[in-house]
Amino acid sequence: DAGITQSPRYKITETGRQVTLMCHQTWSHSYMFWYRQDLGHGLRLIYYSAAADITDKGEVPDGYVVSRSKTENFPLTLESATRSQTSVYFCASRSGGDSTEAFFGQGTRLTVV
Amino acid sequence: GENVEQHPSTLSVQEGDSAVIKCTYSDSASNYFPWYKQELGKRPQLIIDIRSNVGEKKDQRIAVTLNKTAKHFSLHITETQPEDSAVYFCAAREEYGNKLVFGAGTILRVKS
Repeated sequence: DAGITQSPRYKITETGRQVTLMCHQTWSHSYMFWYRQDLGHGLRLIYYSAAADITDKGEVPDGYVVSRSKTENFPLTLESATRSQTSVYFCASRSGGDSTEAFFGQGTRLTVV
Repeated sequence: GENVEQHPSTLSVQEGDSAVIKCTYSDSASNYFPWYKQELGKRPQLIIDIRSNVGEKKDQRIAVTLNKTAKHFSLHITETQPEDSAVYFCAAREEYGNKLVFGAGTILRVKS
């Protein structure tokens, strides 16, 4: 379980502020993902990355920015936080090729006030 | 893109009864279908998955069935126990694809 970790676990920020959520994995997995979880919507994909320096949009990318300069890190930045971005954010990773299981981090609960 | 619908949104069963959760998907190219369990305040964890070349898979009290023609798959839990209470998510993904698309989730309550 310690293979993929998120920080912080909880964050309260004000509308308009920039905030960055961190995700770190120790497995050298190729793929990394960011999901947001909201009641009634399940897990919705924000951005994903197939390898270092390769990122792509998911279902709900607006208002978010990602980068992946190193394989093990995949930070998610909210450039100007809005109340609609209040959510629980999950990072996940999986290895490449035929590998199937995605492993999730413990989540970050973000509140925008 | 892929769209996954999941029903029911909530399900209450008596301990010892069976529970069935159903999902449909839209993209015929999808051929990997995992199920995740999320306990309150915890991260989602894989409990069972199935590939398109298999019609059914079992793991103790849990089974998944897949009908590729109808584009639907189901999770079956037999002899439910209180510790089965959680949110269950189905998902669909293309083989070797990147995007795992989730259903909206089912809250399962097992009453003892």
